[in-house]
Amino acid sequence: GAVVSQHPSRVICKSGTSVKIECRSLDFQATTMFWYRQFPKKSLMLMATSNEGSKATYEQGVEKDKFLINHASLTLSTLTVTSAHPEDSSFYICSARDTARLADTGVTDTQYFGPGTRLTVL
Amino acid sequence: AQSVTQPDIHITVSEGASLELRCNYSYGATPYLFWYVQSPGQGLQLLLKYFSGDTLVQGIKGFEAEFKRSQSSFNLRKPSVHWSDAAEYFCAVGGIGTYKYIFGTGTRLKVLA
Repeated sequence: GAVVSQHPSRVICKSGTSVKIECRSLDFQATTMFWYRQFPKKSLMLMATSNEGSKATYEQGVEKDKFLINHASLTLSTLTVTSAHPEDSSFYICSARDTARLADTGVTDTQYFGPGTRLTVL
Repeated sequence: AQSVTQPDIHITVSEGASLELRCNYSYGATPYLFWYVQSPGQGLQLLLKYFSGDTLVQGIKGFEAEFKRSQSSFNLRKPSVHWSDAAEYFCAVGGIGTYKYIFGTGTRLKVLA
């Protein structure tokens, strides 16, 4: 259980185009999902918090008009990189927050991560 | 300030040897603590987590971690490392009332045959 998928796993695009990345929680509902960016050999940088049915909350320094986030259902969040530039090339990882699994642990608030998307902008 | 420190950037161990990865945190409330593992080009997989109760937590793949409140630590251990354990390991802290995690900078584990 607790599986999160991302699509695509890799994408190469030309500068100036837009790219959409999907994040899905496959076996649980996630009212909250997160989008991270990871630079080579670095830790994860939280970009934004995606809330189902409402606007995303962006971290300081992240351009909300460039990184559009939509969380239209309890199992799907999308990140669209608009007018991509080479500096947007990175590894993007999503996570989904699971707060419903109370049967085994009694308490939970765990993020489960997708496999990541490697974006290369030429 | 809230933070997570993983003092060891790289660790190299021989296959079959024991392993301990250090994690220290600074957090103003009762922490939730996590260890994740990331293989190259992959997402993060949850190894184990601590919310409350027994301070020795068992995880997947033979890993365990011990929460020591007095030392603000949550070190990850494995008695016998396998070559497939070579990866990047991240410690993270969250807490009641906040759903954001604070991640450490990671420890890269290399396993010698």
